[in-house]
Amino acid sequence: GEDVEQSLFLSVREGDSSVINCTYTDSSSTYLYWYKQEPGAGLQLLTYIFSNMDMKQDQRLTVLLNKKDKHLSLRIADTQTGDSAIYFCAESVRDSNYQLIWGAGTKLIIKP
Amino acid sequence: NAGVTQTPKFQVLKTGQSMTLQCAQDMNHEYMSWYRQDPGMGLRLIHYSVGAGITDQGEVPNGYNVSRSTTEDFPLRLLSAAPSQTSVYFCASSSGGVISGTGELFFGEGSRLTVL
Repeated sequence: GEDVEQSLFLSVREGDSSVINCTYTDSSSTYLYWYKQEPGAGLQLLTYIFSNMDMKQDQRLTVLLNKKDKHLSLRIADTQTGDSAIYFCAESVRDSNYQLIWGAGTKLIIKP
Repeated sequence: NAGVTQTPKFQVLKTGQSMTLQCAQDMNHEYMSWYRQDPGMGLRLIHYSVGAGITDQGEVPNGYNVSRSTTEDFPLRLLSAAPSQTSVYFCASSSGGVISGTGELFFGEGSRLTVL
């Protein structure tokens, strides 16, 4: 079946770049998403990429997609304390009626 | 802007009790869904609805019922609570684009349920 995997934790120093990685298994993905969950809150869409794109940049965020290796990454430049959150990777899968398949989330910890 | 509103935020139940988690959205979204979030696991879809009067099962529907009598409301009912249903529950809505893979899901703040 479909699966999305992420590391559970990532620790970076304030001001450094954070790179959160995600791998997925289903080749019928259409869109891939990054959602952010701040403590005690629901998830919010951060960015997304269409499956025929390699890269998408939005201010401090860069999304890279390697479709051959089924690997997605989110790079946050100049990481700030406000970036502390859990980041979820999700894919929209055509063969599952476009329901989203979610990773377990990566908790980003910022060290001063 | 209210967006997606869930109530209650916290609830403690005893095994065998029933309850309803409420979800309402004011964005006129056709698509609504319920997820549960457990530590170390991705969000798992419980039930979803693509419009008033239409509901369907997700990945983990057992022990839960839903109904969609209006566009705005999508309550989740626990029929006979079990400790395995201890979780954080999220309601989410979308304008319908999720079905075609392009849509953004809007989430409520979550309801933390503990079953003793």
